[in-house]
Amino acid sequence: AQSVTQLGSHVSVSEGALVLLRCNYSSSVPPYLFWYVQYPNQGLQLLLKYTTGATLVKGINGFEAEFKKSETSFHLTKPSAHMSDAAEYFCAVRNFGNEKLTFGTGTRLTIIP
Amino acid sequence: NAGVTQTPKFRILKIGQSMTLQCTQDMNHNYMYWYRQDPGMGLKLIYYSVGAGITDKGEVPNGYNVSRSTTEDFPLRLELAAPSQTSVYFCASNGQGNNEQFFGPGTRLTVL
Repeated sequence: AQSVTQLGSHVSVSEGALVLLRCNYSSSVPPYLFWYVQYPNQGLQLLLKYTTGATLVKGINGFEAEFKKSETSFHLTKPSAHMSDAAEYFCAVRNFGNEKLTFGTGTRLTIIP
Repeated sequence: NAGVTQTPKFRILKIGQSMTLQCTQDMNHNYMYWYRQDPGMGLKLIYYSVGAGITDKGEVPNGYNVSRSTTEDFPLRLELAAPSQTSVYFCASNGQGNNEQFFGPGTRLTVL
């Protein structure tokens, strides 16, 4: 069974600093990869996804992620954190031909003014 | 489009009571899912459906039942509520060949 590991359940960064949220997956073949964001008391919203093609993927709100097959990673970055980025972020994977998602345990991002 | 809607938003149950969590989507999506979210655990798949009349168990189905009589609706039934079912429940859907799952706003359930 595939699994998703998000290193760091809580990450704090200063406003304007780089955001780096880590995601590693285990899968025998390159899967589809997703990052979702959850704001307090809301559902999940898609930030970005990788399916095929370019390995550097740009999403909403200035976030991007790079699929690295050799490292089985899909880390999420943003060059300059904003207060509105405070939320919980989930990495998820889906294998080709299977609609089900497997989620990581999430990383709560806090922005320090 | 309203997207994925869930009712109720909040509910408190006593042990042993039953209830149905409602989920409706207006995007004509074939695939629908129920997840539960517990602190530090991420989202766990309870049940899913690939179309009307077809449902299957996910990772944590015990204590729950589902039905899918229409494309739009995918209710989740708790027959005998237990404190371990205290959680936030999310419904999601996606279309054939569409990689993005769309999520509802969630139902926060407390069992006392």
